[in-house]
Amino acid sequence: AQSVTQLDSHVSVSEGTPVLLRCNYSSSYSPSLFWYVQHPNKGLQLLLKYTSAATLVKGINGFEAEFKKSETSFHLTKPSAHMSDAAEYFCVVTPPGYSSASKIIFGSGTRLSIRP
Amino acid sequence: AAGVIQSPRHLIKEKRETATLKCYPIPRHDTVYWYQQGPGQDPQFLISFYEKMQSDKGSIPDRFSAQQFSDYHSELNMSSLELGDSALYFCASSLDKGTGGTDTQYFGPGTRLTVL
Repeated sequence: AQSVTQLDSHVSVSEGTPVLLRCNYSSSYSPSLFWYVQHPNKGLQLLLKYTSAATLVKGINGFEAEFKKSETSFHLTKPSAHMSDAAEYFCVVTPPGYSSASKIIFGSGTRLSIRP
Repeated sequence: AAGVIQSPRHLIKEKRETATLKCYPIPRHDTVYWYQQGPGQDPQFLISFYEKMQSDKGSIPDRFSAQQFSDYHSELNMSSLELGDSALYFCASSLDKGTGGTDTQYFGPGTRLTVL
C-alpha cells in the first residue's frame, strides 16, 4: 500500500528566506514522486519529479527536492522565496511502472504564504 | 509548448441539470485522466482513458460518464447535478509508458463547476 503525508498544512516564510515543504511517503516499492504547484484558481503545474535517477532533483522556478530512502522523505526546498511562490503545493506518489491513475496518491497539500 | 486545454473554464448549473466538460490533451498524448477537487481538498481521481478505452476508474458517481474520442479529446458528462458536485474538475494527459512515455501527468487549468 502507498501513502503520502505532507507534514505541514500551512507554511509561512518571509520573502528572500528559504522554503522547506515536507513530504513523507510510504510505499511497498520504489515509487515515482512528484511535486505539483497550484496557484489560486489555476491548474496543477508540475514542479519536479523523481524517478530513481539522481536523488537530488531540480525543478522549475528554483525549486529542488531530495529523495531520501532511509527517511522515506521527498522534501521540497528553495533557497530564497519569492512572492510569486505563494500557492498550494502537492506531493504525489505513484508506483513505478504502473500508469493507472487510481494508484496515484495526492498529499493533502501545503499552503505556502510569503510575507513581504 | 502546448498544454492541456479544458473548456469551459467556468460553468454554472442548476440542480438536476446536466453538464458536459471537455478536455483536449497535449498533442501525441494518448492517456487522459479526470479529477475532481472540492474546496480545500486534494484532487480525487475519477476516471481515465487510454487509446479511447477506459483504462481505470476511481470514485466517479454513476451519474457521471466519460469517453475519449478518436482525436483523443475527452468529455465528462454529468447528469442530475447535485450541490455537492460543485468543484474544480481537472483533466490531465500523459503519454503512456507502453508507447515510450512516462507516468508524468500534465494538468489542464480546470473547469470550475458551480451547482446552484
